[in-house]
Parts: sequence; C-alpha cells; structure tokens
Amino acid sequence: KNEVEQSPQNLTAQEGEFITINCSYSVGISALHWLQQHPGGGIVSLFMLSSGKKKHGRLIATINIQEKHSSLHITASHPRDSAVYICAVRYGSQGNLIFGKGTKLSVKP
Amino acid sequence: KAGVTQTPRYLIKTRGQQVTLSCSPISGHRSVSWYQQTPGQGLQFLFEYFSETQRNKGNFPGRFSGRQFSNSRSEMNVSTLELGDSALYLCASSDQGATYEQYFGPGTRLTVT
Repeated sequence: KNEVEQSPQNLTAQEGEFITINCSYSVGISALHWLQQHPGGGIVSLFMLSSGKKKHGRLIATINIQEKHSSLHITASHPRDSAVYICAVRYGSQGNLIFGKGTKLSVKP
Repeated sequence: KAGVTQTPRYLIKTRGQQVTLSCSPISGHRSVSWYQQTPGQGLQFLFEYFSETQRNKGNFPGRFSGRQFSNSRSEMNVSTLELGDSALYLCASSDQGATYEQYFGPGTRLTVT
C-alpha cells in the first residue's frame, strides 16, 4: 500500500527556533511536494522535489531517495509560520498525489 | 496573473440534492485537479482534467463527476449528496499537468445537512 507518514502530528515552538518536519513514504516516487495550509483553507505549494535539496528564504526541503524520507526545515521560526504543513508524493510519472495527514505547527511569540 | 478562483466559497445543501462547484484556473494553465479535504481522511485526489480530457481519477464513487471546458474552466458535480460529502473541495491548476507544480484555489466549503 502506498502510504505517506508525517511526524510530528503537532508541533509547538518558540519564535526563533529551528523546526524540522519529517515525511516518509513506502515505495519509489517520481516527486514529493511540501504544501502549507493556513487557517481558512488556502494551500500554497512550497516545494516540489525529486532529489537533493531546495531552499527558499527560511525554508529548506531535503529528500533522501534511498531512505524514502524528506524533511522540511524552518530556520528562525516566526508566528506567521503557524500553519499545517502537508507532504504529498506522486508515484509514477502520471500518478495522482497522495497526501500525508499534515503537521500542525504553532509558533509562539 | 490572477490566481485560481473557485465559486461558490461556501455552500449548504441537503442530503439527496446535487451540487456543482466551479474552478477557474490561472490563465494559460490547461490542467485542473480536484481534491476533497475532510478532518478524518485529510486531502484526497478526486480527478484531473487536461485539455478537456479526464486524465486521472481517484477512488471516489460515480456520484462524483467533473468536466473541463475549452477555456480550461472546470466544474465538478456531486449527485445524491450524503452527509459524508461535507468537506472542503479544492482545485489546483498547472500549466503542464498534475505532475508539475500546482497552484491551489481557496476552496469551496460544502456542508450537507
């Protein structure tokens, strides 16, 4: 069964802390996405990656294909980073996205 | 460019009724994908349309259907609504298909009573 597991489910941090969210999947994938969803529902695509590492501002996403694992890091976290972070993977070149359950992050000032 | 728009944003329907939701993709995008989000199941893929053709379909009953018009706007329809269909329905557009980066709309929150 193709599954996507995220950890932790919930995460509370103090402003300025370094944050890591993890995503594991069961079989080989063609791409992995990290999404951010704020209260109210809107989803923003943060990263799409199939290998290596990508960085955008304070956000860094890495993927280890051999270990079937990806991490999303947030440096110098800020209350505006509070959101649900969702990992999604695609199996095969035309497969649909399969989503993890999400990690709810709360950053306290 | 304007983002992905979805109408209506909120909808309340009664069991047994049908509903049609609309999605207008980013100008120039030919792929539209639909997703259902519930507290219990999280995000689940419904279907993808590319240039008016359904290219991929998730594991949902036949009550869920969709279509795409020549201007890339897409509609999804749910017939014979059930309480369990209450959810946030999101669409996302992409310029090259659902395998590429997708841009999400704000969603339509459907409540079935």
